[in-house]
Amino acid sequence: NAGVTQTPKFRVLKTGQSMTLLCAQDMNHEYMYWYRQDPGMGLRLIHYSVGEGTTAKGEVPDGYNVSRLKKQNFLLGLESAAPSQTSVYFCASSYSIRGQINSPLHFGNGTRLTVT
Amino acid sequence: EDQVTQSPEALRLQEGESSSLNCSYTVSGLRGLFWYRQDPGKGPEFLFTLYSAGEEKEKERLKATLTKKESFLHITAPKPEDSATYLCAVQARQAGGSYIPTFGRGTSLIVHP
Repeated sequence: NAGVTQTPKFRVLKTGQSMTLLCAQDMNHEYMYWYRQDPGMGLRLIHYSVGEGTTAKGEVPDGYNVSRLKKQNFLLGLESAAPSQTSVYFCASSYSIRGQINSPLHFGNGTRLTVT
Repeated sequence: EDQVTQSPEALRLQEGESSSLNCSYTVSGLRGLFWYRQDPGKGPEFLFTLYSAGEEKEKERLKATLTKKESFLHITAPKPEDSATYLCAVQARQAGGSYIPTFGRGTSLIVHP
């Protein structure tokens, strides 16, 4: 099993450019998440999805959009990149336990994005 | 607002010098506290889940404990390979009914040989 796979691993954008980060999981997990990690700030939730076709905002959603057209994929889009979006982006997935709580998260290895 | 605070931010130990990392939380309706380990350039890896006060989990040199307000990650006789960032996350019910984890900022541990 590959687990959670993120592409690309690295990317450099100029201010105003757009891009899409792809996350794929092969564990049939219902929940998927996008986090950003900045020095001293920990992991902050951008958007998440509780199932195919559904998305919800997290703590820091501004400037990002997401889509979950297929259960195994969760896409994160930046329509007009800004230097403040320079960060390491992590995708994660989990499954529901008895409909009440979530399993531990399975993380990808991140995408390092630099916006100049 | 749910909050998760980890301390210390950074910790340097000599090999064999035992210590503890702290994760304090203020959430309503806790539905699990998770500990993760993160190595440089990698995503976090799951270590433990604790669900109720008094619960303890162990794995090699690591032992996690939980009270009603905080969790501790005890490291006994650490080795250099235990060097990593340790993250704590709490899971509580959100307004929409989902259970979404909130992370602390982590503790960076360096173990010197």
